[in-house]
Amino acid sequence: QKEVEQDPGPLSVPEGAIVSLNCTYSNSAFQYFMWYRQYSRKGPELLMYTYSSGNKEDGRFTAQVDKSSKYISLFIRDSQPSDSATYLCAMSAGYQLIWGAGTKLIIKP
Amino acid sequence: DTAVSQTPKYLVTQMGNDKSIKCEQNLGHDTMYWYKQDSKKFLKIMFSYNNKELIINETVPNRFSPKSPDKAHLNLHINSLELGDSAVYFCASSQTGLATEAFFGQGTRLTVV
Repeated sequence: QKEVEQDPGPLSVPEGAIVSLNCTYSNSAFQYFMWYRQYSRKGPELLMYTYSSGNKEDGRFTAQVDKSSKYISLFIRDSQPSDSATYLCAMSAGYQLIWGAGTKLIIKP
Repeated sequence: DTAVSQTPKYLVTQMGNDKSIKCEQNLGHDTMYWYKQDSKKFLKIMFSYNNKELIINETVPNRFSPKSPDKAHLNLHINSLELGDSAVYFCASSQTGLATEAFFGQGTRLTVV
């Protein structure tokens, strides 16, 4: 079993929909939780960073961490075609980021 | 101003050759990383340096050798290239060794033929 599980998709939704992306993990020592967005042929860029449990909102993006269930989510409201990308979750207990496989998201105009 | 830059962007080479990829960051970060991303988009850490000292050395073939001349540079040298080395290699940096908020370069797409 991988330390971090993420459905690779693709996930295809119409423009304007609310998108929910998720990761589960097995290591209860993880304290730092990140979501990265990667456009085709580009490097990953940090979207959201959360420490421990709780919610964090930034514009149309909301990150949730439920440590009791070992489950993290990224919600995108009012999705746009420009949100089409691969979304990678990553988490850390210290010096090393452990990555999910990434979910490919397609927003249809 | 590019924060993390790596060269070259594309590299096509024959099996058995030796090649290097260079990385530089102008963010003043203390920690730099090399990642390998395979065709399925899975990112795997290879090495991490903090202030020029190796802190993460994952199980990679010893044909891969990182070098950090100063904390703003981390290069990757690969000897005796094999077909399986074909991938996208990303350099990244972060402010601390806690591996949060990493900034990535554009990637080097290596194709071994």
